[in-house]
Amino acid sequence: ETGVTQTPRHLVMGMTNKKSLKCEQHLGHNAMYWYKQSAKKPLELMFVYSLEERVENNSVPSRFSPECPNSSHLFLHLHTLQPEDSALYLCASSQGRDQPQHFGDGTRLSIL
Amino acid sequence: KQEVTQIPAALSVPEGENLVLNCSFTDSAIYNLQWFRQDPGKGLTSLLLIQSSQREQTSGRLNASLDKSSGRSTLYIAASQPGDSATYLCAVEDTNAGKSTFGDGTTLTVKP
Repeated sequence: ETGVTQTPRHLVMGMTNKKSLKCEQHLGHNAMYWYKQSAKKPLELMFVYSLEERVENNSVPSRFSPECPNSSHLFLHLHTLQPEDSALYLCASSQGRDQPQHFGDGTRLSIL
Repeated sequence: KQEVTQIPAALSVPEGENLVLNCSFTDSAIYNLQWFRQDPGKGLTSLLLIQSSQREQTSGRLNASLDKSSGRSTLYIAASQPGDSATYLCAVEDTNAGKSTFGDGTTLTVKP
């Protein structure tokens, strides 16, 4: 039990599909993060939410749209993705910047 | 732009050895540095977090040091065990909120 749950674990979609990734944390944290982990590349921070407000967007293409309806849930809405978007998408949460981040097991996304 | 380098990329040791993993970063204006481990197909697990004002952190057989002036951190693992086999990632958070840069990781194999 990691405390951070991501669904689905695996997702295969075509470039014209629309899907959403879900992240839920049961740790009472107030910050949540989306990361992208591609093969042979370092982990990349995509979005940061603190107290349900987006505080960081590292120049992510608009085909990725995050949503944080409350402090326990984070979504990543996907549409018109490209093959290079195939990767492991990781969600994390923390109780502020001074505390370690706790990660989910990720969603393995494959774009056909 | 912050760059994080981890050396070596891969390391194989016999059980019981002490070992050191290295992490270097180019911009010393950091907020904190964090070491993670990642098991295959899983998310990241935070091991140690060092604030910029600290020199080291210890947890069990793990000890992480930070030298901001030289842009280096080391992760020392004492009396290694096969269960320590994983990829170890170093992440630096800049003084700007939410900007984290990860290294490529060191893949450690501890042989029984």
